[in-house]
Amino acid sequence: QKEVEQNSGPLSVPEGAIASLNCTYSDRVSQSFFWYRQYSGKSPELIMSIYSNGDKEDGRFTAQLNKASQYVSLLIRDSQPSDSATYLCAVIAGRRALTFGSGTRLQVQP
Amino acid sequence: GAGVSQSPSNKVTEKGKDVELRCDPISGHTALYWYRQSLGQGLEFLIYFQGNSAPDKSGLPSDRFSAERTGGSVSTLTIQRTQQEDSAVYLCASSSPLPNTGELFFGEGSRLTVL
Repeated sequence: QKEVEQNSGPLSVPEGAIASLNCTYSDRVSQSFFWYRQYSGKSPELIMSIYSNGDKEDGRFTAQLNKASQYVSLLIRDSQPSDSATYLCAVIAGRRALTFGSGTRLQVQP
Repeated sequence: GAGVSQSPSNKVTEKGKDVELRCDPISGHTALYWYRQSLGQGLEFLIYFQGNSAPDKSGLPSDRFSAERTGGSVSTLTIQRTQQEDSAVYLCASSSPLPNTGELFFGEGSRLTVL
């Protein structure tokens, strides 16, 4: 079992819709959770972090964390073609370095 | 500079040669990471330096790979006797002095092609 699992996609949504990206993790001691965005040919950049159960909103982005279910999600409201990218879920457990999932490719259709 | 700087940006080498990849982190960042990303794949952790602590080398795929960080700043990743499967983009990242932060700032990467 991979430590951080994501559906590779592509997830295709129409412009203006809500995109929902999901991630599960295996290590119950994980304490910090992150979403990175990676445009094609570019390096990842951090877009959201979440540390406690519940929702965290930042503009059009909402991160959701459920530690009991070992589940993290990212919602993108009013999706734009510029949101088309690969979204990487990442987790810190204990003193270990950040572990990334393989990413979900999002395509927003104009 | 303001960001993480990596060099070279592209490196083409022949199988069996050694290569060195350099990373200059953001000033003041005590944590430095190396990851690699093969085409269409996620990020594979290689090694992690945090301040003066012993590095976490658990991700290095073989003893052909090594890394050092001099003076708590610049890091060099060395791959000896390169193989074709080493072809990938090697990404360096740094983060602030806070412990266990996952807020990494990545460089543009070094694309390695082994012929």
